[in-house]
Amino acid sequence: DQQVKQNSPSLSVQEGRISILNCDYTNSMFDYFLWYKKYPAEGPTFLISISSIKDKNEDGRFTVFLNKSAKHLSLHIVPSQPGDSAVYFCAARGYGSSNTGKLIFGQGTTLQVKP
Amino acid sequence: NAGVTQTPKFQVLKTGQSMTLQCAQDMNHNSMYWYRQDPGMGLRLIYYSASEGTTDKGEVPNGYNVSRLNKREFSLRLESAAPSQTSVYFCASSGTSGTRGTQYFGPGTRLLVL
Repeated sequence: DQQVKQNSPSLSVQEGRISILNCDYTNSMFDYFLWYKKYPAEGPTFLISISSIKDKNEDGRFTVFLNKSAKHLSLHIVPSQPGDSAVYFCAARGYGSSNTGKLIFGQGTTLQVKP
Repeated sequence: NAGVTQTPKFQVLKTGQSMTLQCAQDMNHNSMYWYRQDPGMGLRLIYYSASEGTTDKGEVPNGYNVSRLNKREFSLRLESAAPSQTSVYFCASSGTSGTRGTQYFGPGTRLLVL
């Protein structure tokens, strides 16, 4: 049972436009949601997070939106740059996992930003 | 700081062979994790260690064992490798409770089992 789902395996956008990556979850017992970015042959790196008590968090070109009623999370990148081309994973932490830090990851979405 | 380091970077095994993947972190983190990444499957947790001296199974523990050698080091062992264990393995660590759950990942070990 996949609790965190990224239904779009890939996304292609033009440089300068907005990239929107989506993530759905099935469990209401998550307290934090995170986005990670992964380049080929490297480990994932943390990008941005949001607490379940908020609906928006912004960091420069990156904004994460949380719609709790729809159990939906999205990452907006504005403007998109070729260096943003990578695999993006969304992840969620359960309320009971604050002492272990366990995360559940989605399948990932490959973003290609074309010059 | 090196962060999270993993050895080896790449390994080829024959079915039935054994090997140990090494992981170390220098961030004084309590928790450490082992994941495997397969196409279309995302990152799946194999085992984790919430603190030195404790280990627990994750989503896909079968065929693996782990050892939390000390606070810095967390190793993953394949006792009898199978082709289904061909994957990219990532080690990660995270800090104390109360944080947002950010994990720091190593560069990965690419394993091919023939």
